[in-house]
Amino acid sequence: NAGVTQTPKFQVLKTGQSMTLQCAQDMNHNSMYWYRQDPGMGLRLIYYSASEGTTDKGEVPNGYNVSRLNKREFSLRLESAAPSQTSVYFCASRGGWAGELFFGEGSRLTVL
Amino acid sequence: RKEVEQDPGPFNVPEGATVAFNCTYSNSASQSFFWYRQDCRKEPKLLMSVYSSGNEDGRFTAQLNRASQYISLLIRDSKLSDSATYLCVVNTFGSGSARQLTFGSGTQLTVLP
Repeated sequence: NAGVTQTPKFQVLKTGQSMTLQCAQDMNHNSMYWYRQDPGMGLRLIYYSASEGTTDKGEVPNGYNVSRLNKREFSLRLESAAPSQTSVYFCASRGGWAGELFFGEGSRLTVL
Repeated sequence: RKEVEQDPGPFNVPEGATVAFNCTYSNSASQSFFWYRQDCRKEPKLLMSVYSSGNEDGRFTAQLNRASQYISLLIRDSKLSDSATYLCVVNTFGSGSARQLTFGSGTQLTVLP
């Protein structure tokens, strides 16, 4: 049972570099989410996708773009990384509006 | 005021103690509630959903008070393995906001031997 798989697990970038975080789920969930978590702080929603083909901004979308490639995959792109984007990024999926949120193991990103 | 607020913590309790966490929410239209557990540097995992009538799962009891807009989590007979951060999560369906789920900032619990 893979659940939600994120890659890469660790990444170090220089300011201005770009990268894409990949996320895939095998639970046939409609909704997928990207969160960031800074040290000692709660989860903040970056973007979410209620269903294939739709995406919406969350609380902190600036500096990020997303793509819901298909029902399984939801990627997060940093076009020009900044040190303020150093964080742990979690992808999650959810079967229904009242259902449990399943998280990936996280991607730890450091921007120098 | 934050949409979801939790006890600031940290809570340091001895093994065997009973500990309670509260979480308040500001949107009266909130419809479902959850407690998640997050171990250090790991992903959050669902501990339990919170039902209107209250619910219990072993040593854990969750309660909802809609009138006062808070949920609580009670842990009895604390174990060392209960040491983690506990996140309160509130779902507001159809709020018109992109955010369907709002997370509290978490309460850190350390159970001491």
